[in-house]
Amino acid sequence: DAGITQSPRHKVTETGTPVTLRCHQTENHRYMYWYRQDPGHGLRLIHYSYGVKDTDKGEVSDGYSVSRSKTEDFLLTLESATSSQTSVYFCATNDRERQETQYFGPGTRLLVL
Amino acid sequence: SQQGEEDPQALSIQEGENATMNCSYKTSINNLQWYRQNSGRGLVHLILIRSNEREKHSGRLRVTLDTSKKSSSLLITASRAADTASYFCATDAGNTGKLIFGQGTTLQVKP
Repeated sequence: DAGITQSPRHKVTETGTPVTLRCHQTENHRYMYWYRQDPGHGLRLIHYSYGVKDTDKGEVSDGYSVSRSKTEDFLLTLESATSSQTSVYFCATNDRERQETQYFGPGTRLLVL
Repeated sequence: SQQGEEDPQALSIQEGENATMNCSYKTSINNLQWYRQNSGRGLVHLILIRSNEREKHSGRLRVTLDTSKKSSSLLITASRAADTASYFCATDAGNTGKLIFGQGTTLQVKP
């Protein structure tokens, strides 16, 4: 594993509440990604970062925001959680200057009631 | 929209048999990657094949790429129970580093 942790690993929340998921890496990788995984959809990119304070939207970014104030941390915020955001969220990193493969964290299971 | 579509969605075989999974994609690519996901875990990179390569091997894994058909296959030879997992193809279509994943093939290897 490339030293990627996610917190929390499990969370149950109520509709309308804000939720922040954290991804922490110790590899000094420049690029970081947030995906969600749902049955029948595989993994879909939410947002990604190509450096500190540099982020961009992915395929399914509506209702999500991100921040990256340090190389090692990438935060995903659900501004007002909805039941459709119940999913498993994965963080990934890579060092594109050296290789194209991505390294994944263990995932966060989020249930929005 | 999904770039990669995988076939079959599920595959069940006996230990020792070979497993073949296929991936089709829609646009030109720089490379295609295969990942494995064990139940309840994150994805793990298996192998990468570039658009100018036709075949690549890594241990019991063999990957082929046909850019004219926009398709790839992953062959796992002499399967083991520990190969039970979901397998995903992912394509890198631009210079952004963003990967687009297929829906995956769930492989069950029975001992």
